[in-house]
Amino acid sequence: DAKTTQPPSMDCAEGRAANLPCNHSTISGNEYVYWYRQIHSQGPQYIIHGLKNNETNEMASLIITEDRKSSTLILPHATLRDTAVYYCIVTSLNSGYALNFGKGTSLLVTP
Amino acid sequence: DTGVSQNPRHKITKRGQNVTFRCDPISEHNRLYWYRQTLGQGPEFLTYFQNEAQLEKSRLLSDRFSAERPKGSFSTLEIQRTEQGDSAMYLCASPVEGSGANVLTFGAGSRLTVL
Repeated sequence: DAKTTQPPSMDCAEGRAANLPCNHSTISGNEYVYWYRQIHSQGPQYIIHGLKNNETNEMASLIITEDRKSSTLILPHATLRDTAVYYCIVTSLNSGYALNFGKGTSLLVTP
Repeated sequence: DTGVSQNPRHKITKRGQNVTFRCDPISEHNRLYWYRQTLGQGPEFLTYFQNEAQLEKSRLLSDRFSAERPKGSFSTLEIQRTEQGDSAMYLCASPVEGSGANVLTFGAGSRLTVL
């Protein structure tokens, strides 16, 4: 699996968009970008994933650059409940088991 | 309620004791995963099951660790002769039906403290 690099922490004001970056310069052609988050004292929660096209669901949007070497997770209107550690994971579609979470980005949403 | 149930949620034990954690996955999914998370780190893969067969084990899973999934439903993770380094959150996960093998639903975890 390709290695990912994320900033250790970020702040965002409530109601503003939170843009969380992830670098994955060694991504290979069959690898997807997955995002999970983990709220304190809970298990990780799946957010979104994509291959090369931008994706959007009810939780977030995922923007992947054309060369696929980086991506950005966007929470369009951050709330206090979005305070969590966000993990960017790059892996092939059916790797199935050994998801490499890394240390993620700790996002603090402030009032 | 994530749909994956783990028990106990918290366990405090003395070094050298044995502990067992239980995971009840969503609706008996054929795949079930165990991860471990230490303070300040992301979850790390331990092992996974396809039905009752244990198909992959991480090097993190020392011989003091054993996992089972009898009848392909619930799973147990036992740690024998616990050490302080075993203190961690133990997470269980199962796939979301129809969403591919990497879209997992995790339980809330079982936090182990070894004194």
